[in-house]
Amino acid sequence: GNSVTQMEGPVTLSEEAFLTINCTYTATGYPSLFWYVQYPGEGLQLLLKATKADDKGSNKGFEATYRKETTSFHLEKGSVQVSDSAVYFCALENRDDKIIFGKGTRLHILP
Amino acid sequence: NAGVTQTPKFQVLKTGQSMTLQCAQDMNHNSMYWYRQDPGMGLRLIYYSASEGTTDKGEVPNGYNVSRLNKREFSLRLESAAPSQTSVYFCASSEAPNGDTQYFGPGTRLTVL
Repeated sequence: GNSVTQMEGPVTLSEEAFLTINCTYTATGYPSLFWYVQYPGEGLQLLLKATKADDKGSNKGFEATYRKETTSFHLEKGSVQVSDSAVYFCALENRDDKIIFGKGTRLHILP
Repeated sequence: NAGVTQTPKFQVLKTGQSMTLQCAQDMNHNSMYWYRQDPGMGLRLIYYSASEGTTDKGEVPNGYNVSRLNKREFSLRLESAAPSQTSVYFCASSEAPNGDTQYFGPGTRLTVL
């Protein structure tokens, strides 16, 4: 079945550093891909998404490109801020239309 | 516009007790979901409702029941709580059951002693 694998955390960076959180997927067909973010004490919220190969999703300075050839959807940001500290979930749309979430990557940004 | 609301925020139960977690959305969404979040496990789907009047099992339905009371409300019931059900529970909704963006509530932290 379809699955999502993302890098384990926690990831700790200094403010203004470059961020990459790796995500790879296994799927039949071409599912939509998502990044969700969970701030402390809150529910998840959609950060960005891409619905087909080579699409780039972007929001709040974050970007991710749907790479069919490497089955990847890595999350990147050029200069992180303390306020980006959160847990990030990679996810894909399963064949039965459900969303499958990765296990999450906790990000700590130090001032 | 409150989005997705959940009650209660926190709950402590003893093994064998029952309780119902409430969820409501004001976005006129057709689909609603219940997830549990455990450390190192990500989110796992318990039950979902693709539309009013329908419910289906997700990945981890054992020990739970749900009711889609109307289009707005989707409740999750634990009939006889067990320590393995200690978790954070999230309700979510989406306009359509086709992988569309899901909107999450703030969660209920449940501890079963």
